[in-house]
Amino acid sequence: AQSVTQLDSHVSVSEGTPVLLRCNYSSSYSPSLFWYVQHPNKGLQLLLKYTSAATLVKGINGFEAEFKKSETSFHLTKPSAHMSDAAEYFCVVSDRAGGTSYGKLTFGQGTILTVHP
Amino acid sequence: EPEVTQTPSHQVTQMGQEVILRCVPISNHLYFYWYRQILGQKVEFLVSFYNNEISEKSEIFDDQFSVERPDGSNFTLKIRSTKLEDSAMYFCASSLGGLIQETQYFGPGTRLLVL
Repeated sequence: AQSVTQLDSHVSVSEGTPVLLRCNYSSSYSPSLFWYVQHPNKGLQLLLKYTSAATLVKGINGFEAEFKKSETSFHLTKPSAHMSDAAEYFCVVSDRAGGTSYGKLTFGQGTILTVHP
Repeated sequence: EPEVTQTPSHQVTQMGQEVILRCVPISNHLYFYWYRQILGQKVEFLVSFYNNEISEKSEIFDDQFSVERPDGSNFTLKIRSTKLEDSAMYFCASSLGGLIQETQYFGPGTRLLVL
């Protein structure tokens, strides 16, 4: 069975400082991994995804994430936070269990990012 | 940019009543999904739907739940007899393909409150 753990429920940074949102996963097979962001009253928007190509994945709005199989991690980073980055972020895994679980996503519990001026 | 839409944004209902949550997926997508998030808990998979039938469902998706694509554009989730514990945010999603690397595009959600 697949699972996702986001290690911080809340992260607070100052504008212009780096962002690190941590995610660990477990999966029986080679997973696909995603980061989604949710702004208030908006849908879940895809930031980036890993699908077994390059281990360093670049996404929208300057975010990137590195897939580390040995550490079962997929941490999300951004060099310099902007006020508009304040939102809730979800790490998500999708894998296949016995050839049947096409496209079923398993979510982490979410990390709320606060950005201070 | 095409997006998934959901109606209503909020719904309040009495326990035991039937509710229908509606979604309009992205027009050329073939796979459709419902997820829910109970307040303070993780987003959970409910069901996936392809070619007019359920392709997978979770243990949450019991006989009280059903899904339908009635007219080729809408995708609905029906809860026959709502319970207090059905109170949650319900998200619809769609994807072009069904493989694990496909991106699922989410709607803004319907917040359901059962009294």
